[in-house]
Amino acid sequence: EPEVTQTPSHQVTQMGQEVILRCVPISNHLYFYWYRQILGQKVEFLVSFYNNEISEKSEIFDDQFSVERPDGSNFTLKIRSTKLEDSAMYFCASSVWTSGGLGTDTQYFGPGTRLTVL
Amino acid sequence: AQSVTQPDIHITVSEGASLELRCNYSYGATPYLFWYVQSPGQGLQLLLKYFSGDTLVQGIKGFEAEFKRSQSSFNLRKPSVHWSDAAEYFCAVGGNSGGSNYKLTFGKGTLLTVNP
Repeated sequence: EPEVTQTPSHQVTQMGQEVILRCVPISNHLYFYWYRQILGQKVEFLVSFYNNEISEKSEIFDDQFSVERPDGSNFTLKIRSTKLEDSAMYFCASSVWTSGGLGTDTQYFGPGTRLTVL
Repeated sequence: AQSVTQPDIHITVSEGASLELRCNYSYGATPYLFWYVQSPGQGLQLLLKYFSGDTLVQGIKGFEAEFKRSQSSFNLRKPSVHWSDAAEYFCAVGGNSGGSNYKLTFGKGTLLTVNP
Protein backbone atom coordinates (compact mmCIF):
# COMPACT_ATOMS: atom_id res chain seq x y z
CA GLU A 1 0.00 0.00 0.00
CA PRO A 2 1.43 3.41 -0.95
CA GLU A 3 2.46 5.61 1.94
CA VAL A 4 3.89 9.01 2.70
CA THR A 5 7.55 8.93 3.70
CA GLN A 6 9.57 11.55 5.57
CA THR A 7 13.25 12.12 6.15
CA PRO A 8 15.01 12.42 8.45
CA SER A 9 13.15 10.77 11.29
CA HIS A 10 14.97 12.96 13.80
CA GLN A 11 16.82 16.23 13.23
CA VAL A 12 18.80 18.09 15.85
CA THR A 13 19.89 21.64 15.09
CA GLN A 14 21.23 24.74 16.78
CA MET A 15 19.02 27.77 17.26
CA GLY A 16 19.32 30.11 14.28
CA GLN A 17 20.23 27.39 11.81
CA GLU A 18 18.22 26.53 8.72
CA VAL A 19 16.59 23.13 8.43
CA ILE A 20 14.87 21.39 5.57
CA LEU A 21 12.43 18.61 6.25
CA ARG A 22 11.67 16.31 3.37
CA CYS A 23 8.59 14.37 2.39
CA VAL A 24 7.65 12.08 -0.46
CA PRO A 25 3.86 12.15 -0.83
CA ILE A 26 1.82 9.32 -2.32
CA SER A 27 2.53 9.37 -6.04
CA ASN A 28 -0.89 10.17 -7.50
CA HIS A 29 -1.79 12.74 -4.85
CA LEU A 30 -2.13 16.38 -5.76
CA TYR A 31 -2.50 18.19 -2.43
CA PHE A 32 0.24 18.36 0.15
CA TYR A 33 0.27 19.52 3.74
CA TRP A 34 2.49 20.16 6.71
CA TYR A 35 1.33 19.87 10.30
CA ARG A 36 3.24 20.03 13.54
CA GLN A 37 2.74 18.63 17.01
CA ILE A 38 4.57 20.22 19.90
CA LEU A 39 5.14 17.69 22.67
CA GLY A 40 1.97 17.23 24.70
CA GLN A 41 -0.11 19.45 22.45
CA LYS A 42 -2.49 18.90 19.59
CA VAL A 43 -1.59 18.44 15.96
CA GLU A 44 -1.70 21.86 14.25
CA PHE A 45 -2.10 22.72 10.60
CA LEU A 46 0.73 24.73 9.05
CA VAL A 47 0.21 24.90 5.30
CA SER A 48 -1.40 23.28 2.29
CA PHE A 49 0.05 23.27 -1.22
CA TYR A 50 -1.45 22.60 -4.61
CA ASN A 51 -0.35 23.23 -8.16
CA ASN A 52 2.96 24.67 -7.00
CA GLU A 53 1.50 27.27 -4.75
CA ILE A 54 0.28 27.64 -1.20
CA SER A 55 -3.48 27.25 -0.99
CA GLU A 56 -3.87 27.93 2.71
CA LYS A 57 -1.59 28.66 5.65
CA SER A 58 -2.04 29.17 9.36
CA GLU A 59 -0.83 32.04 11.48
CA ILE A 60 2.03 29.80 12.62
CA PHE A 61 3.39 29.71 9.08
CA ASP A 62 5.24 33.03 9.10
CA ASP A 63 8.08 34.31 6.95
CA GLN A 64 10.50 31.90 8.59
CA PHE A 65 8.74 29.00 6.91
CA SER A 66 8.60 28.08 3.24
CA VAL A 67 7.51 25.07 1.24
CA GLU A 68 8.62 23.79 -2.10
CA ARG A 69 8.05 20.95 -4.49
CA PRO A 70 11.50 20.89 -6.11
CA ASP A 71 10.77 17.93 -8.37
CA GLY A 72 7.96 15.53 -9.17
CA SER A 73 8.23 13.54 -5.98
CA ASN A 74 9.57 15.58 -3.07
CA PHE A 75 7.81 18.16 -0.92
CA THR A 76 9.92 20.14 1.52
CA LEU A 77 9.43 22.41 4.51
CA LYS A 78 12.20 24.90 5.21
CA ILE A 79 12.63 26.79 8.44
CA ARG A 80 15.10 29.60 7.80
CA SER A 81 16.25 30.46 11.30
CA THR A 82 15.09 27.95 13.87
CA LYS A 83 13.90 28.96 17.31
CA LEU A 84 13.62 26.86 20.45
CA GLU A 85 9.83 26.89 20.08
CA ASP A 86 10.09 25.22 16.66
CA SER A 87 10.96 21.98 18.43
CA ALA A 88 8.14 19.63 17.50
CA MET A 89 7.13 16.63 15.46
CA TYR A 90 6.45 17.71 11.89
CA PHE A 91 4.03 15.64 9.83
CA CYS A 92 3.65 15.70 6.10
CA ALA A 93 0.35 14.61 4.57
CA SER A 94 -1.10 14.27 1.10
CA SER A 95 -4.50 13.81 -0.47
CA VAL A 96 -5.75 13.01 -3.92
CA TRP A 97 -7.89 16.10 -4.18
CA THR A 98 -10.34 18.14 -2.18
CA SER A 99 -13.57 16.73 -3.54
CA GLY A 100 -13.64 19.23 -6.39
CA GLY A 101 -13.57 22.10 -3.96
CA LEU A 102 -16.42 20.71 -1.96
CA GLY A 103 -14.39 19.91 1.07
CA THR A 104 -11.46 18.19 2.66
CA ASP A 105 -10.51 14.86 1.22
CA THR A 106 -8.83 12.16 3.24
CA GLN A 107 -5.31 13.14 4.18
CA TYR A 108 -2.69 10.43 4.59
CA PHE A 109 0.11 11.19 7.01
CA GLY A 110 3.74 10.29 7.09
CA PRO A 111 5.58 9.03 10.20
CA GLY A 112 6.88 12.48 11.08
CA THR A 113 10.22 14.18 11.63
CA ARG A 114 11.09 15.06 15.18
CA LEU A 115 12.89 18.41 15.17
CA THR A 116 14.90 19.34 18.23
CA VAL A 117 16.29 22.89 18.40
CA LEU A 118 19.04 23.42 20.97
CA ALA B 1 -13.67 28.82 13.59
CA GLN B 2 -13.61 25.07 13.65
CA SER B 3 -12.61 23.18 16.78
CA VAL B 4 -12.57 19.69 18.22
CA THR B 5 -12.88 18.65 21.85
CA GLN B 6 -11.85 15.28 23.15
CA PRO B 7 -12.92 15.40 26.80
CA ASP B 8 -10.95 12.36 27.93
CA ILE B 9 -7.19 12.77 28.05
CA HIS B 10 -6.53 9.21 29.18
CA ILE B 11 -8.72 6.12 29.28
CA THR B 12 -7.84 2.70 30.67
CA VAL B 13 -9.82 -0.40 29.75
CA SER B 14 -9.35 -4.10 30.20
CA GLU B 15 -8.70 -6.29 27.20
CA GLY B 16 -11.99 -7.57 25.85
CA ALA B 17 -13.99 -4.69 27.26
CA SER B 18 -15.92 -2.28 25.10
CA LEU B 19 -14.59 1.17 24.30
CA GLU B 20 -16.07 4.55 23.52
CA LEU B 21 -13.93 7.62 22.87
CA ARG B 22 -15.74 10.91 22.81
CA CYS B 23 -15.37 13.68 20.26
CA ASN B 24 -17.31 16.92 19.97
CA TYR B 25 -16.78 19.37 17.15
CA SER B 26 -17.66 22.91 16.25
CA TYR B 27 -18.00 23.70 12.58
CA GLY B 28 -20.04 26.22 10.66
CA ALA B 29 -21.08 24.01 7.78
CA THR B 30 -21.21 20.37 6.86
CA PRO B 31 -18.35 18.74 8.76
CA TYR B 32 -16.07 16.10 7.40
CA LEU B 33 -14.98 14.02 10.38
CA PHE B 34 -12.03 11.72 10.88
CA TRP B 35 -10.50 9.49 13.50
CA TYR B 36 -6.75 8.85 13.39
CA VAL B 37 -4.63 6.61 15.60
CA GLN B 38 -1.00 7.17 16.54
CA SER B 39 1.08 4.37 18.00
CA PRO B 40 4.33 5.34 19.78
CA GLY B 41 6.92 6.49 17.28
CA GLN B 42 4.50 6.14 14.40
CA GLY B 43 2.61 8.54 12.19
CA LEU B 44 -1.12 9.14 12.10
CA GLN B 45 -3.09 6.26 10.64
CA LEU B 46 -6.62 6.85 9.40
CA LEU B 47 -9.19 4.69 11.21
CA LEU B 48 -12.35 5.96 9.56
CA LYS B 49 -14.06 9.01 8.13
CA TYR B 50 -17.48 10.53 7.70
CA PHE B 51 -18.33 12.74 4.73
CA SER B 52 -22.05 12.13 4.19
CA GLY B 53 -24.72 9.43 4.09
CA ASP B 54 -25.06 6.75 6.73
CA THR B 55 -24.22 8.27 10.09
CA LEU B 56 -22.68 5.04 11.38
CA VAL B 57 -19.36 4.46 9.69
CA GLN B 58 -17.15 1.42 9.86
CA GLY B 59 -13.39 1.61 9.90
CA ILE B 60 -10.36 -0.57 10.11
CA LYS B 61 -9.44 -2.80 13.05
CA GLY B 62 -13.09 -3.26 14.06
CA PHE B 63 -13.72 0.40 14.95
CA GLU B 64 -16.89 2.30 14.18
CA ALA B 65 -18.08 5.84 14.79
CA GLU B 66 -21.45 7.51 14.82
CA PHE B 67 -22.10 11.05 13.60
CA LYS B 68 -24.79 12.83 15.61
CA ARG B 69 -25.45 16.26 14.19
CA SER B 70 -27.81 17.26 17.01
CA GLN B 71 -25.09 16.62 19.56
CA SER B 72 -22.15 17.76 17.38
CA SER B 73 -20.49 14.48 18.22
CA PHE B 74 -18.53 11.79 16.43
CA ASN B 75 -17.75 9.16 19.05
CA LEU B 76 -15.50 6.22 18.30
CA ARG B 77 -16.46 2.75 19.50
CA LYS B 78 -15.14 -0.76 19.55
CA PRO B 79 -17.03 -3.70 21.08
CA SER B 80 -13.99 -5.61 22.29
CA VAL B 81 -10.60 -4.00 22.78
CA HIS B 82 -7.36 -5.82 22.01
CA TRP B 83 -4.02 -5.09 23.68
CA SER B 84 -2.71 -3.86 20.32
CA ASP B 85 -5.27 -1.03 20.37
CA ALA B 86 -3.24 0.80 23.00
CA ALA B 87 -2.32 4.08 21.31
CA GLU B 88 -3.35 7.72 21.10
CA TYR B 89 -6.53 8.52 19.22
CA PHE B 90 -7.22 11.81 17.49
CA CYS B 91 -10.50 13.16 16.23
CA ALA B 92 -10.32 15.75 13.43
CA VAL B 93 -12.70 17.93 11.48
CA GLY B 94 -12.40 19.41 8.02
CA GLY B 95 -14.88 20.60 5.47
CA ASN B 96 -15.96 23.35 3.19
CA SER B 97 -16.62 26.28 5.44
CA GLY B 98 -15.38 29.73 4.51
CA GLY B 99 -13.11 28.57 1.77
CA SER B 100 -11.01 26.54 4.16
CA ASN B 101 -11.17 23.33 2.24
CA TYR B 102 -7.76 22.13 3.12
CA LYS B 103 -6.89 22.00 6.76
CA LEU B 104 -7.82 19.48 9.37
CA THR B 105 -8.37 20.67 12.92
CA PHE B 106 -7.45 18.09 15.52
CA GLY B 107 -8.49 17.45 19.07
CA LYS B 108 -5.87 17.03 21.78
CA GLY B 109 -6.12 13.27 21.63
CA THR B 110 -7.12 10.48 23.99
CA LEU B 111 -4.46 8.09 25.20
CA LEU B 112 -5.81 4.55 25.49
CA THR B 113 -4.19 2.07 27.86
CA VAL B 114 -5.28 -1.56 27.70
CA ASN B 115 -4.85 -3.75 30.76
CA PRO B 116 -4.37 -7.50 30.29
